[in-house]
Amino acid sequence: AQTVTQSQPEMSVQEAETVTLSCTYDTSESDYYLFWYKQPPSRQMILVIRQEAYKQQNATENRFSVNFQKAAKSFSLKISDSQLGDAAMYFCAYRSLEGAQKLVFGQGTRLTINP
Amino acid sequence: NAGVTQTPKFRILKIGQSMTLQCTQDMNHNYMYWYRQDPGMGLKLIYYSVGAGITDKGEVPNGYNVSRSTTEDFPLRLELAAPSQTSVYFCASSYRGSPKRAGELFFGEGSRLTVL
Repeated sequence: AQTVTQSQPEMSVQEAETVTLSCTYDTSESDYYLFWYKQPPSRQMILVIRQEAYKQQNATENRFSVNFQKAAKSFSLKISDSQLGDAAMYFCAYRSLEGAQKLVFGQGTRLTINP
Repeated sequence: NAGVTQTPKFRILKIGQSMTLQCTQDMNHNYMYWYRQDPGMGLKLIYYSVGAGITDKGEVPNGYNVSRSTTEDFPLRLELAAPSQTSVYFCASSYRGSPKRAGELFFGEGSRLTVL
């Protein structure tokens, strides 16, 4: 079974600075998807960015980018020019391409933005 | 489109009571999932379905039951509620991905359940 580990329960960053959230995963599959979801206090799960494992190029969405290291099974999220609205829980998630294509979540990292 | 709709958003149950969390999606998705999120934790899979009439257990199925009689609906039944079932419950859906592409899950807004 796949597992996802986020080793940073909490992170904080000054507004306008850059922060990196870490994520590692364990799998024996060669093709899969990786996601970062944001969960603000409203509880809503918001997709931030996705990465297909067969693509070598790191995904980018505006101020959000990932560093995908397939061999190391590492998938970190970099947030540039941090904004107050970025404050939330961030979850790393792995999605298999086999069977029911279930999504497996990490424990989450709580990000605080200091004004 | 409404997306994934969950009801109720909040509920307080007494120990031993039963209830059903409703989930409906209007995107014609094959796959549907129920997750629970305990305070400060990630989401854990309770049950899932790959299509109407097909359901299977996830990581934490004890104390729950599901059914999938239609593509749109995937209700979660709690029998004999216990304090350990106090949690936030999320329903999610997605289309069936191709071998090289599995899309994102679309989540409902969550249902906060308290068992006292």
